[in-house]
Amino acid sequence: GENVEQHPSTLSVQEGDSAVIKCTYSDSASNYFPWYKQELGKRPQLIIDIRSNVGEKKDQRIAVTLNKTAKHFSLHITETQPEDSAVYFCAATLRDDKIIFGKGTRLHILP
Amino acid sequence: NAGVMQNPRHLVRRRGQEARLRCSPMKGHSHVYWYRQLPEEGLKFMVYLQKENIIDESGMPKERFSAEFPKEGPSILRIQQVVRGDSAAYFCASSRNLAETQYFGPGTRLLVL
Repeated sequence: GENVEQHPSTLSVQEGDSAVIKCTYSDSASNYFPWYKQELGKRPQLIIDIRSNVGEKKDQRIAVTLNKTAKHFSLHITETQPEDSAVYFCAATLRDDKIIFGKGTRLHILP
Repeated sequence: NAGVMQNPRHLVRRRGQEARLRCSPMKGHSHVYWYRQLPEEGLKFMVYLQKENIIDESGMPKERFSAEFPKEGPSILRIQQVVRGDSAAYFCASSRNLAETQYFGPGTRLLVL
């Protein structure tokens, strides 16, 4: 069935370094790819999203890239800070417009 | 502009009781989605509703679970005869239109004793 695969499941990065989280999707009709950040005990919050007519989008230290041919998209966080520690979820819409989430990446920023 | 509201934030039930979880979408949003999240796991889609209609309930268990989104009032996720395995965080999200950004509520943490 349709799914979204997310890697890695856990990522530890030295403060100030970059973090990259990758997702692949199976439905070629997917056209909307949001990323959510969830801090411990809190709700998922949208941090950035991209639509299929764009290959890259950037918002300060966060960027998302999309490769429709390969059906994968990635989240890039540069100059990581302690407050970036959280669980990050990628997601993709299916052809029926339902959103499917990846299983999440637990990001640890090391001092 | 209030965001998505959910109540209660925490709910404790004994096995066999009923749990009612409420979700008020953001103003102007007519699409509501319910997700379940177990500890250390991802968000599992349960059901998608538009005012007075269930559009997709493919992620909802066939028994004991039901959802509604009446013309007036919040969306309600109802779990009858709860079991320990129902313990989880239940998040509601809303969007203005289909395939647009979903905004999440703070969740209801259900604990079944």
